[in-house]
Amino acid sequence: EIVMTQSPATLSVSPGERATLSCRASQSVSSNLAWYQQKPGQAPRLLIYGASTRATGIPARFSGSGSGTEFTLTISSLQSEDFAVYYCQQYNNWPPREMYTFGQGTKLEIK
Amino acid sequence: EVQLVQSGAEVKKPGESLKISCKGSGYSFTSYWIGWVRQMPGKGLEWMGIIYPGDSDTRYSPSFQGQVTISADKSISTAYLQWSSLKASDTAMYYCARHIVAGPLEYDAFDIWGQGTMVTVSS
Repeated sequence: EIVMTQSPATLSVSPGERATLSCRASQSVSSNLAWYQQKPGQAPRLLIYGASTRATGIPARFSGSGSGTEFTLTISSLQSEDFAVYYCQQYNNWPPREMYTFGQGTKLEIK
Repeated sequence: EVQLVQSGAEVKKPGESLKISCKGSGYSFTSYWIGWVRQMPGKGLEWMGIIYPGDSDTRYSPSFQGQVTISADKSISTAYLQWSSLKASDTAMYYCARHIVAGPLEYDAFDIWGQGTMVTVSS
């Protein structure tokens, strides 16, 4: 099973500053990685798929990069509504069982 | 509007059975896989399994195989998650989500999520 490890667990950043969140896979997932945002009491929302493609309606301040085992989500200028928990998720279909593994999440909080 | 609407919160006793639902609308329900995700209180997201309503092809995470059953009724655009004998450790929020294969390189993601169903199991 591929294990996804996110760091840091909690990130404190001031509004207007840049936030950089990391996600590492225990083995290569190519670029089959997605990022989700979850606010308290809400369902997750898809931000990025294919490691770097923004989903429909996602602001340009969100960007994703990486491939293989190392991935980054960058929020260029934090807005108040961006403080939330962020999850990465990978997909792989080998060994012969499809798996969609999530990281444990990074909580982005106001500094 | 594309949406998934889940059934309401449930409070059950250990050993009871339960079936929760996820109704899709605004798109071709039989053309997209539907996944289920567990979120225990204060914890992260765990993928449980996925079903293709078009033919009911179903895959389970090893962690949930044998613990739950995923099904679908395409005639009413609804997917289900069920337990035959609940445990206190099943207490969690459960989300359904639509799976997409996106972009020219066909990457996988869950783009539309239900609002969640809170299941509480307590004696």
